[in-house]
Amino acid sequence: DAGVTQSPTHLIKTRGQHVTLRCSPISGHKSVSWYQQVLGQGPQFIFQYYEKEERGRGNFPDRFSARQFPNYSSELNVNALLLGDSALYLCATRTGPNTGELFFGEGSRLTVL
Amino acid sequence: AQTVTQSQPEMSVQEAETVTLSCTYDTSENNYYLFWYKQPPSRQMILVIRQEAYKQQNATENRFSVNFQKAAKSFSLKISDSQLGDTAMYFCAFMSSNTGNQFYFGTGTSLTVIP
Repeated sequence: DAGVTQSPTHLIKTRGQHVTLRCSPISGHKSVSWYQQVLGQGPQFIFQYYEKEERGRGNFPDRFSARQFPNYSSELNVNALLLGDSALYLCATRTGPNTGELFFGEGSRLTVL
Repeated sequence: AQTVTQSQPEMSVQEAETVTLSCTYDTSENNYYLFWYKQPPSRQMILVIRQEAYKQQNATENRFSVNFQKAAKSFSLKISDSQLGDTAMYFCAFMSSNTGNQFYFGTGTSLTVIP
């Protein structure tokens, strides 16, 4: 079975631009979460979606948004990019909204210049 | 709010030896889960072991075991018979049973296994 897949794996943007990151969950996983991992830090929670509804939001500005599609895949959008948005963005999925461990993708490495 | 603290940024161990990684957490909740995740240089986070707070027995998974001290809010990971493939970042994580919608991670410990 395929694991959690994320795209793109690497991307470079300039300040002020917009970025869209994509995630496909493991088959049968209906919950998708997004985490930001800045170099040298642990992952920080951004969003959780379950059955296309937002179930949780971390302490991130409104420039960050996400959505989940009927096939349970998800997109993370970041507008008006800042240098501080440079990070590894991790998608994590699981079967339900609040049980079980998270299964992670390899991440999307975003560099903002 | 929950916080997770890993006070050892870097550690090293000789191959075949035993190493213990430390983790403490702060919460006012009584029901929760604790996890150790491994992030090899290839970046994908992999679950190593999990512990339910209501279970007094420490979790074990082959060479990996935990020492869970609920009163002290401590959750250390012991790796026995260390192997080169154990070289990675290790993250301790907390999840509330009440909300469960987010994990709180520590800052990680970089473990190097020396041949």
